[in-house]
Amino acid sequence: QKEVEQDPGPLSVPEGAIVSLNCTYSNSAFQYFMWYRQYSRKGPELLMYTYSSGNKEDGRFTAQVDKSSKYISLFIRDSQPSDSATYLCAMDDSGGYQKVTFGTGTKLQVIP
Amino acid sequence: EAQVTQNPRYLITVTGKKLTVTCSQNMNHEYMSWYRQDPGLGLRQIYYSMNVEVTDKGDVPEGYKVSRKEKRNFPLILESPSPNQTSLYFCASSLSWDARDYEQYFGPGTRLTVT
Repeated sequence: QKEVEQDPGPLSVPEGAIVSLNCTYSNSAFQYFMWYRQYSRKGPELLMYTYSSGNKEDGRFTAQVDKSSKYISLFIRDSQPSDSATYLCAMDDSGGYQKVTFGTGTKLQVIP
Repeated sequence: EAQVTQNPRYLITVTGKKLTVTCSQNMNHEYMSWYRQDPGLGLRQIYYSMNVEVTDKGDVPEGYKVSRKEKRNFPLILESPSPNQTSLYFCASSLSWDARDYEQYFGPGTRLTVT
């Protein structure tokens, strides 16, 4: 079993929809959680960073962590065609980049 | 412009022919790392460097070498490439290893094919 599981998609939604992207994990020591966005032929870029459980909001993006269920989510409100990308979750237990475990990514397509 | 650059962006080579993929950052970052990205496996760390002359293995270091002689450069060396090293490679850098305070920036990627 992988430490981090992420549905690869693809996920196709109409413009303006609310998108929910999810990851599950097995390591209960994970307490730092990240979401990256990766456009085609580009490197990943950090979208959201959260510590422990709870919600964090940044514009149209909301990251949610449920440590009791070992489940994290990224919600995108009012989705735009420019949101079409692959979204990677990442997590670790120490807050250091040398130990981060990445999910495999979910490909999202927002249809105009 | 603050950036991480990688060269070459695309490379096709043959088994056993030594190659180097260069990585350079212009942000005076201390922490640098190399990842490979494979379908179904995600991003996996190959090597990382906390500072000049300080490097350590990541999750998949076999078949790779690195060096960090200057702060801005972190080349990835494949002494004897094999087909299972065909992958998309990313270099990344951050002001510090501490993900709690500092964002990690990724380069554009190098697509390597070993035949």
